[in-house]
Amino acid sequence: SQQGEEDPQALSIQEGENATMNCSYKTSINNLQWYRQNSGRGLVHLILIRSNEREKHSGRLRVTLDTSKKSSSLLITASRAADTASYFCATVKGSARQLTFGSGTQLTVLP
Amino acid sequence: KAGVTQTPRYLIKTRGQQVTLSCSPISGHRSVSWYQQTPGQGLQFLFEYFSETQRNKGNFPGRFSGRQFSNSRSEMNVSTLELGDSALYLCASRGDGATEQYFGPGTRLTVT
Repeated sequence: SQQGEEDPQALSIQEGENATMNCSYKTSINNLQWYRQNSGRGLVHLILIRSNEREKHSGRLRVTLDTSKKSSSLLITASRAADTASYFCATVKGSARQLTFGSGTQLTVLP
Repeated sequence: KAGVTQTPRYLIKTRGQQVTLSCSPISGHRSVSWYQQTPGQGLQFLFEYFSETQRNKGNFPGRFSGRQFSNSRSEMNVSTLELGDSALYLCASRGDGATEQYFGPGTRLTVT
């Protein structure tokens, strides 16, 4: 079963705007990862944040993690039409290697 | 390096049949995991193989099975197909000690 939920389920913005997606999870974790999926294809790893980290940046991506609230957010700055995709958070618990995915956010960036 | 490849990309089967899907990981990666993606249940973990041994298994019935060969290529098999098995099946490989998983393009299975 899925670890948690993401909101919003769908987000539509204009090119150049920022997009923020939120993820909540249920159990303690080792790390949390964000993936992108284009139109029912394979997933692409975007960024990983460990449980002892609070914020991480990678290019136009900024991810935060609040373990007390069991939540994470992904911010994409200056969005582009090519960012249109589904975004999933995935958690890793303890020493397990499996990913437990959230429900995903469908992002549409309008040119 | 070549990415993760999955074959076939699309498959149509009839209820009651069985199917075998194949995954070739990135060269040097010994860990291969399988996930099922459906609109209703989302992305769910099926199992993970490492050096020909199943290391972890998700909550799926015994109709779902897999194996890994000495060259790290993996296959998953679904027997007695049901309509609900229609899904995108994704394979991912991971390097030793790494946390990032690299996904293949998936196999779209339709059961009629």
